[in-house]
Amino acid sequence: GAVVSQHPSWVICKSGTSVKIECRSLDFQATTMFWYRQFPKQSLMLMATSNEGSKATYEQGVEKDKFLINHASLTLSTLTVTSAHPEDSSFYICSVQLAGGHEQYFGPGTRLTVT
Amino acid sequence: DAKTTQPTSMDCAEGRAANLPCNHSTISGNEYVYWYRQIHSQGPQYIIHGLKNNETNEMASLIITEDRKSSTLILPHATLRDTAVYYCIADSGGSNYKLTFGKGTLLTVNP
Repeated sequence: GAVVSQHPSWVICKSGTSVKIECRSLDFQATTMFWYRQFPKQSLMLMATSNEGSKATYEQGVEKDKFLINHASLTLSTLTVTSAHPEDSSFYICSVQLAGGHEQYFGPGTRLTVT
Repeated sequence: DAKTTQPTSMDCAEGRAANLPCNHSTISGNEYVYWYRQIHSQGPQYIIHGLKNNETNEMASLIITEDRKSSTLILPHATLRDTAVYYCIADSGGSNYKLTFGKGTLLTVNP
């Protein structure tokens, strides 16, 4: 399977600042990566699909100007939370899917706390 | 995607088999059944998937009823490290399919 890393694993930032989260596919070239968000005691919610070399596709209700996604290479996608607010505090998780396969492989997640 | 229904929680004794049920009565013919699990504060982990036939891998077995309206994930010898939330998802698969996670089943393996 694919090995996916995320950086940082946790981050605390002040309200109004921006935070960048990296998702790396370490042993696999991923043309598509997915970004999820998980609030405490809730299930994962898909935020967007990140496509290498093109614009991301956002799910309904997710602000594309607030959650900037860049997928500039086949091994790296970044999620930038702009002008963060306390309600953006959450667990952010990325995943990749092997071409032709059914499995999605997830990163370890990034816990964001906005104070 | 077909809706799936799972019990909120289950308990299992360490070393015993854990049988996790999932109901997907509205599943369509081209939809697979996927199982993932999430250990606390970690990213989800793929376990297994199937379409019609029963499947087995190094982690678990998946038993799908003949009418495909329900399935059971079996962990043959549960360990404490199997304590996690288990998600059953029905999806047509294909390239770049989107996973829709429900609430899942919290499996607690007790010593």
